[in-house]
Amino acid sequence: NAGVMQNPRHLVRRRGQEARLRCSPVKGHSHVYWYRQLPEEGLKFMVYLQKENIIDESGMPKERFSAEFPKEGPSILRIQQVVRGDSAAYFCASSPLDRGTAQHFGDGTRLSIL
Amino acid sequence: GIQVEQSPPDLILQEGANSTLRCNFSDSVNNLQWFHQNPWGQLINLFYIPSGTKQNGRLSATTVATERYSLLYISSSQTTDSGVYFCAVSGGSEKLVFGKGTKLTVNP
Repeated sequence: NAGVMQNPRHLVRRRGQEARLRCSPVKGHSHVYWYRQLPEEGLKFMVYLQKENIIDESGMPKERFSAEFPKEGPSILRIQQVVRGDSAAYFCASSPLDRGTAQHFGDGTRLSIL
Repeated sequence: GIQVEQSPPDLILQEGANSTLRCNFSDSVNNLQWFHQNPWGQLINLFYIPSGTKQNGRLSATTVATERYSLLYISSSQTTDSGVYFCAVSGGSEKLVFGKGTKLTVNP
């Protein structure tokens, strides 16, 4: 999967806890995208970030979810006070440019809420 | 926003058969990608093909941007081809919009 590294691969949390999902893009890629795949559904866009900037968060739930892509280090998707409905596969993708190039996907993080 | 429809939703083949998967989209696009999601949930990037034709082994894809569709061809299918095939597009913004997928089952 073209070098996008996501961790952890699997994450189990109890209701009310916080979940932190990490994504290291392909070296040299400055654009990061997060997508969510709910059970038995397709993938849906959540947020698009460049270094230190959120460009488009139109797919993010209004509460409990946040994302960042700091100048140094991986991109982080943070879910506070998780609920059962947050159980899903979360995929990160990266690209070197905003348009005209493929997005490269990681293997995803499977989040399970007990 | 842009709409993506994939057909057929399900496809069952015998090993060795050929198949064609279709992706229709509702507006002009600057990115079109085909993915294979394997039984372990990994998304494998098959093609980046906003227009034209590409081939990679037993797989090939064609996008006719002016008519707003793309086709994925799988020849001499193998059991390892089983999984869900997604088409995803973007047009005007960077976010990819995914179709609901075609679930392919290849029987030995």
